[in-house]
Amino acid sequence: EPEVTQTPSHQVTQMGQEVILRCVPISNHLYFYWYRQILGQKVEFLVSFYNNEISEKSEIFDDQFSVERPDGSNFTLKIRSTKLEDSAMYFCASSGGSSNQPQHFGDGTRLSIL
Amino acid sequence: LAKTTQPISMDSYEGQEVNITCSHNNIATNDYITWYQQFPSQGPRFIIQGYKTKVTNEVASLFIPADRKSSTLSLPRVSLSDTAVYYCLVAETGAGSYQLTFGKGTKLSVIP
Repeated sequence: EPEVTQTPSHQVTQMGQEVILRCVPISNHLYFYWYRQILGQKVEFLVSFYNNEISEKSEIFDDQFSVERPDGSNFTLKIRSTKLEDSAMYFCASSGGSSNQPQHFGDGTRLSIL
Repeated sequence: LAKTTQPISMDSYEGQEVNITCSHNNIATNDYITWYQQFPSQGPRFIIQGYKTKVTNEVASLFIPADRKSSTLSLPRVSLSDTAVYYCLVAETGAGSYQLTFGKGTKLSVIP
């Protein structure tokens, strides 16, 4: 069964540094998403991406964040000037091109800011 | 976005059928109901999705009454490996791109 893969599984970074989280969505999917989950809290929507542009973003997704689909397979989340409160699990998801398709999630990248 | 309400936790013995009910009183006409399962340190895993009546797949059934203000996820004969958090979500999945709003979910503990 095709799956969403994310790398790295764990990223440790000094506060103030930039990080790039990588995702390979399911190959025939057209819609891509990032979510985050702070330890012990709910999964929160960050951003959705379609046709090489952001289609929706939450208030969490401010100028510190950016997304890119640099090639035909990868989907990345960049976080600039990381802060302690950016420590969380970051999940990538993708959904297919036809309507009513569920989102499929990767197993996440655990980001630890020191 | 419709808000959902589900029990915080449930316990069940192995081999029993588990039913988790979710309330979504403000569900919109175009919203679908989707259930996810999440294990610690893993991403949410899609279980089942439906719009009305009953949907069944290889792992679960989803019952949705005519007014669609609630739904029930049914897990037949649970095992210890079904211990997880289960999320009920409603979203306009027919819109192509859509955001999922997760609540706190139901923590299911399966007891041997």
